Amino acid sequence: GAGVSQSPSNKVTEKGKDVELRCDPISGHTALYWYRQSLGQGLEFLIYFQGNSAPDKSGLPSDRFSAERTGGSVSTLTIQRTQQEDSAVYLCASSPGGYNEQFFGPGTRLTVL
Amino acid sequence: GENVEQHPSTLSVQEGDSAVIKCTYSDSASNYFPWYKQELGKGPQLIIDIRSNVGEKKDQRIAVTLNKTAKHFSLHITETQPEDSAVYFCAASKGGADGLTFGKGTHLIIQP
Repeated sequence: GAGVSQSPSNKVTEKGKDVELRCDPISGHTALYWYRQSLGQGLEFLIYFQGNSAPDKSGLPSDRFSAERTGGSVSTLTIQRTQQEDSAVYLCASSPGGYNEQFFGPGTRLTVL
Repeated sequence: GENVEQHPSTLSVQEGDSAVIKCTYSDSASNYFPWYKQELGKGPQLIIDIRSNVGEKKDQRIAVTLNKTAKHFSLHITETQPEDSAVYFCAASKGGADGLTFGKGTHLIIQP
């Protein structure tokens, strides 16, 4: 079946612009996770959704980052006023439930010039 | 919070030999330990996982062992093949909103 999909695959933006990253989880998966992968920080957990609810947003790097999930399916990660240190690969994963295996999408490579 | 250490950072083995990657974790409440394989330009792929009520799990050429007392777990790959070349990540979690805490990764190189 179809895996986790993410769009765009690559995004180049100028410092100060806003960007929106999209994640389509595996159909029926109720849990959704966002991670960031960078050379300096490795793989970092950002936020978790169970259904449409994100109980803990403390993993988001700054208040310029926000995420939402609607209809228990698609999720978007928004970065406002992008900075060069936001350059990274943003990965999304989904799971049948919060205590099950996580399956990752291919990621969105964000480059902030 | 949880801290996961992974060694070695690079591992080169001859094709057909075995490879072992080791990880330690700090939070005794962690109960789920997956291993991921990541190829260039792709997302991490789950290859095997283990939960804290099990000491060992095997799937064909891949096995994982867990020592809860020492808080360490290892990935064993036998009869390595060229397609095993990739970066491998270990992770630990308490599940749910906890997310996964990853090690820094091991670049596995299979020499022909």
